[in-house]
Amino acid sequence: ETGVTQSPTHLIKTRGQQVTLRCSSQSGHNTVSWYQQALGQGPQFIFQYYREEENGRGNFPPRFSGLQFPNYSSELNVNALELDDSALYLCASSLARAGITGELFFGEGSRLTVL
Amino acid sequence: GENVEQHPSTLSVQEGDSAVIKCTYSDSASNYFPWYKQELGKRPQLIIDIRSNVGEKKDQRIAVTLNKTAKHFSLHITETQPEDSAVYFCAAPGASGGYNKLIFGAGTRLAVHP
Repeated sequence: ETGVTQSPTHLIKTRGQQVTLRCSSQSGHNTVSWYQQALGQGPQFIFQYYREEENGRGNFPPRFSGLQFPNYSSELNVNALELDDSALYLCASSLARAGITGELFFGEGSRLTVL
Repeated sequence: GENVEQHPSTLSVQEGDSAVIKCTYSDSASNYFPWYKQELGKRPQLIIDIRSNVGEKKDQRIAVTLNKTAKHFSLHITETQPEDSAVYFCAAPGASGGYNKLIFGAGTRLAVHP
């Protein structure tokens, strides 16, 4: 059983650029959530994908978007990068079960620095 | 709204002492309360969780207690060891929007000194 993997692990961009981060879910999981973790803070929910559709969104602007593919892998896209977007971006996969909240399995994250 | 508050933000103890971290949540419908440990440069990992049908759960040196009336829950680590040094996050379910959606506290940086 493979765990959650993310790529790239580190990247540097400049303001105004666009970035794509990738995530492969843990085997058997059908839900992918993306979190932003600023330095010294807890993870903040960006959005979730289930059955290739966005299934819940946190307080993030539309320039944060995503995709989920049939194999449950996912991408996070951020357009028009701002300095405040510098953070660790965590992908978490889980198994969706109606009425039961369960464990999130996190990847190691992609650390984005915006200059 | 959805909110999870966590205290203290930093905690320093001597090896062998106990450590307690406390969290409060705002949504009275919340029924699942996990704790995640994040070592430096590593991913957050679940260490223990509790559901609202029990008041306490224990796993070796760690335990979690839940007070639904007061809407708070706590992590207790006994006989702390240097390898317990990490950032600990509490979490509670988001009110809406997504399976397994969790709202995290700001974290507690625990330092265990030999």
